[in-house]
Amino acid sequence: DGGITQSPKYLFRKEGQNVTLSCEQNLNHDAMYWYRQDPGQGLRLIYYSQIVNDFQKGDIAEGYSVSREKKESFPLTVTSAQKNPTAFYLCATRGTYGYTFGSGTRLTVV
Amino acid sequence: QKEVEQDPGPLSVPEGAIVSLNCTYSNSAFQYFMWYRQYSRKGPELLMYTYSSGNKEDGRFTAQVDKSSKYISLFIRDSQPSDSATYLCAMREIISNFGNEKLTFGTGTRLTIIP
Repeated sequence: DGGITQSPKYLFRKEGQNVTLSCEQNLNHDAMYWYRQDPGQGLRLIYYSQIVNDFQKGDIAEGYSVSREKKESFPLTVTSAQKNPTAFYLCATRGTYGYTFGSGTRLTVV
Repeated sequence: QKEVEQDPGPLSVPEGAIVSLNCTYSNSAFQYFMWYRQYSRKGPELLMYTYSSGNKEDGRFTAQVDKSSKYISLFIRDSQPSDSATYLCAMREIISNFGNEKLTFGTGTRLTIIP
C-alpha cells in the first residue's frame, strides 16, 4: 500500500522533554510538510522540505526542528522550547495530483 | 486579518439537505483552491481541487470559485450522515521559482448531518 505512516498515534511528553514524531512515506514524493492542528485554528505550517537535505521554516517553526536525510523520512522534533506543544500533528507529501496526509500524531504534555 | 477566513460553524442539517460551505481569502497569490474532508482523529482527505473561477462538479459535490470576489464555496447535495465531518478549505501558493509551494488552510467547518 502506498501512503504515509505517522507514529506514534498518541504521545505523551513531560514538560522539558524533547520528543520526535516519525513520518515515513512510500509514495516517492519529493516534497514533505509538517502541520499542527489546534481546535478552531485549522492547520498551520511548521516546516517543509522540497528535497532531501533541504528544509524551510513555515509559519510557526519556533520550538521545532526537522531533518531530511532520506527521501522517505521527515521526522519532527518538538523541543522543550515549544511552550504549548499539545496539539494534533499532521505530516503530508505533495505529488503530481496534490497533497496526501498521514493519520496524525496526537501529542499531549503531562 | 487572516489570509483565509472560514465560518467555523458548527453546522447541523437534516439528511437530504443542500449544504453550503464558504471561505474568503485576501492573498491574490493563491492560485489553486481545494476542499478537504477530515473525520475525527484522522488526516484530511482531498475532496475537490480547482484552479479557475467557475464551478466544478464531482458527484454530489460542487466546488465554486470566484477569484474577483476572493470567495470559494463547496456545495453538498443530498447530504448523507456519512458526510458528517470537518471540512477545510485550502489555498495553494507558489512561493519561489524552484517549485516551492505551500498550502494555507481555513479553520474548518464542523458539519453534522442529522438522520
